[in-house]
Amino acid sequence: EVRLVQSGVEMKKPGESLKISCKGSGYRFTSYWIGWVRQTPGKGLEWLGLIYPGDSDTRYSPSFQGKVKITADKSTSTAFLQWSSLNVSDTAIYYCAKHRTESYYSDIFDSWGQGTLVTVSS
Amino acid sequence: EILLTQSPATLSVSPGERATLSCRASQSVSINLAWYQQKPGQAPRLLIYGASTRATGIPARFSGSGSGTEFTLTISSLQSEDFAVYYCQQYYHWPPKYSFGQGTKLDIK
Repeated sequence: EVRLVQSGVEMKKPGESLKISCKGSGYRFTSYWIGWVRQTPGKGLEWLGLIYPGDSDTRYSPSFQGKVKITADKSTSTAFLQWSSLNVSDTAIYYCAKHRTESYYSDIFDSWGQGTLVTVSS
Repeated sequence: EILLTQSPATLSVSPGERATLSCRASQSVSINLAWYQQKPGQAPRLLIYGASTRATGIPARFSGSGSGTEFTLTISSLQSEDFAVYYCQQYYHWPPKYSFGQGTKLDIK
């Protein structure tokens, strides 16, 4: 069974850094792109970026380039999403999700993590 | 950026009836369009990809159609578990520029 298990709820202050995680199991972690998607009441679902754990090739949405960093650790089958300085506007639920196929190109997300709620407030 | 517009924002339908949800793209995405279902407190769940292919384990009452800029998700006979929010997503470009529609809430009439 494919599983993506994300780290827990985070409460942070503006300006703080944060790194959340997504651990994959039940499939060949290095062969499938993993993406990050955020959800807010105001803007709905937004795609942040993708990483291919096999070679750490990373692609970002233009809207989030330079604002977040996506990495992966093959040895622990874990992907990460991190911020160096959080804003109140980063408050959201963040999901990781894997591509459906091993194709190197655009694809849909067939398995999702349970989500990580990040709240940024002074 | 490809914008996806879903309509209606809310759809009220009685159990057993048919529901038809629409997703319109601001430019052609060919058939690179997926549908997801999301229930409160849960992650989105893949229903349809390639505009019309049901994902593994998805009941036959869910069907998708369309190509280019106009897409439809049809639920033929609504069951109680189908009342949720539905999102479309395009995955046309590489390098990726994924985008989602704003969602249609399907609720019980």
